Parts: sequence; structure tokens; C-alpha cells
Amino acid sequence: AQSVAQPEDQVNVAEGNPLTVKCTYSVSGNPYLFWYVQYPNRGLQFLLKYITGDNLVKGSYGFEAEFNKSQTSFHLKKPSALVSDSALYFCAVRDRGREGNNRLAFGKGNQVVVIP
Amino acid sequence: DGGITQSPKYLFRKEGQNVTLSCEQNLNHDAMYWYRQDPGQGLRLIYYSQIVNDFQKGDIAEGYSVSREKKESFPLTVTSAQKNPTAFYLCASSLRTSGRLNEQFFGPGTRLTVL
Repeated sequence: AQSVAQPEDQVNVAEGNPLTVKCTYSVSGNPYLFWYVQYPNRGLQFLLKYITGDNLVKGSYGFEAEFNKSQTSFHLKKPSALVSDSALYFCAVRDRGREGNNRLAFGKGNQVVVIP
Repeated sequence: DGGITQSPKYLFRKEGQNVTLSCEQNLNHDAMYWYRQDPGQGLRLIYYSQIVNDFQKGDIAEGYSVSREKKESFPLTVTSAQKNPTAFYLCASSLRTSGRLNEQFFGPGTRLTVL
């Protein structure tokens, strides 16, 4: 099965500083990778995805992610963090169920805290 | 949270009772999904459906049941067989494109508490 790992439980960053949330993946074949954000007691919101093409993917709210095949990573980045970016961030990868249908496998999530 | 609604927002259940969580979407998506979220464990897939009248078990289907009689609706029943049902339940939907996986759109969630 395909999987992603988010090695840090919490990321603390000062407002205005660069923000990085790490994700590494394990797949056979070409990876389809996604980032989502979740605010307290809400559903997840899609930020961006990598399918093919440019290794630098731009998404919503000023976020971008860099696909690195040699390091099997897909880290989420933002040049200047805002207090409103404080949330739970999930990395996900395409997986195939027993019936061969496409589905998503999620990482455990990273809590981001932006300090004013 | 797009065009996906979940109800109720909060649900309390006594042990031994079955409860049904509602999920409706007006995005004309073929695929729908149910996830369970527990602190520190991310999202785990319960059931998913690629098309009307068809659904597959996810990773933690035991103690749950679903139906997909209409394209826009994918209700989840938490049965008394589910030993630890207290959790946050999320419904999602996506376009279904052969050979690809499109991004999923999530509802606002239902928080289920067993008393």
C-alpha cells in the first residue's frame, strides 16, 4: 500500500517567518500527492496537488509544495506565515483499494502554530 | 466546505444504539467517502463509493454500514457492533475520472459521542 509520513507532530513558527511542513512518501509507480488543511472542528480544505509536471506546485492561500523524487518528499511551504495559518495540515497520497479503485491515504497530520 | 452538508453537527448516542449520519452533496460528484478522525491518528477510511448502488469497505469498516441509493447521498450507520464509536466523522466527495484521483471536497463533519 502507498503511504505518507509526516514526521513532526507540531511546527511552531513566528509570524512573518517561512513555514515548512514536511511530508515523505512511499509509493510504487507515479505518486499523486495532496495537501489539505483543517481548521478546528471543520472539514478539510484542499490546498494543492502534484500529479505530473513542474516539481514546484502552487496552491491556495500562498502555499506551495516541492516534489522531490530523489528524497521522496513533498514538503509544504509558505514564504511568510500568518497567525491565521495556524491549523492542522495533512499530506495524502493516492492509494489503490483491494478492488483497484483509487483512494487517498492520509498522514497523521501536523499541527502548525504561528506565534504573533 | 463547498457543496457538502453533514448532519447533525453533534450527535450523542447511548451504548447499544444504532445511529445514522447524513451526508449530502450537490456537486454532481460520482465518488463519496466516509472517514473517521481520532486525535493523533489522522483520517482513516471507513467506506467509499465510486458510483450509485456500489460501495467498498475501507480500512476500518467493521461496525459500520452504508448505502448509496442516490448520487447525492451517502449515509453512514454506526451500529452497536462498533466498539469505540466516539470520534469526528468526515464525509467527502470527488469527481471520478478513469485512471486518476481527483481532489476530495469535505463536509464540515459530525462529532459523535457515546454516553
